[in-house]
Amino acid sequence: DIQMTHSPSSLSASVGDRVTITCRASQSISTYLNWYQQKPGKAPNLLIHAASSLQSGVPSRFSGSGSGTEFTLTISSLQPEDSATYYCQQSYNIPYTFGPGTKLGIK
Amino acid sequence: EVQLLESGGGLVQPGGSLRLSCAASGFTFSTYAMSWVRQAPGKGLEWVSVISDSGDNTNYADSVRGRFTISRDNSKNTLYLQMNSLRAEDTAVYYCAKRFIVLTGTAFDIWGQGTMVTVSS
Repeated sequence: DIQMTHSPSSLSASVGDRVTITCRASQSISTYLNWYQQKPGKAPNLLIHAASSLQSGVPSRFSGSGSGTEFTLTISSLQPEDSATYYCQQSYNIPYTFGPGTKLGIK
Repeated sequence: EVQLLESGGGLVQPGGSLRLSCAASGFTFSTYAMSWVRQAPGKGLEWVSVISDSGDNTNYADSVRGRFTISRDNSKNTLYLQMNSLRAEDTAVYYCAKRFIVLTGTAFDIWGQGTMVTVSS
């Protein structure tokens, strides 16, 4: 199985900050990488697919990049409503696997 | 409105069974593969199972293979998860999710609100 890891596991930033979260895969997955946002008590919400494609309806302050084994999710200007846990997920092969998540808080 | 609505969760004893349902609306259910994803209390997301659009092909996480069965009824726009031989570690919120094909790979673009399964004596 492909293992996914996140760094950092948690962080806190101020409104307006540029925030970057990193996800790494245990083997190359090309760009078969998705990012989800999950708020407490809610279902996950797809933000980015295929490593860098913004899902319809997602604010343009979110962006993704990377290929192979290292990927990043960037929030260009952090907003209060961005407080959530962010998960990466690989779709390179089954079993699909998620990273353990990065919990993002607002200072 | 595109929507997935899970039902069937509850409290069950270890070794027991439960069947979850996921009713789909607002999209052509029969043309999309569907998955179940679960989340144990305070933990991350774990993919459980996937079924093809026709229902002919299925796959499972090792943790549930042989105990869980995914199925669908396209005439009823409904996805199912039959869970047998339940264990305490199966305790989680279970989400159904619509899978769609993206530029590279697939992604889960629509999720239900989740249904809680608690396995405890």
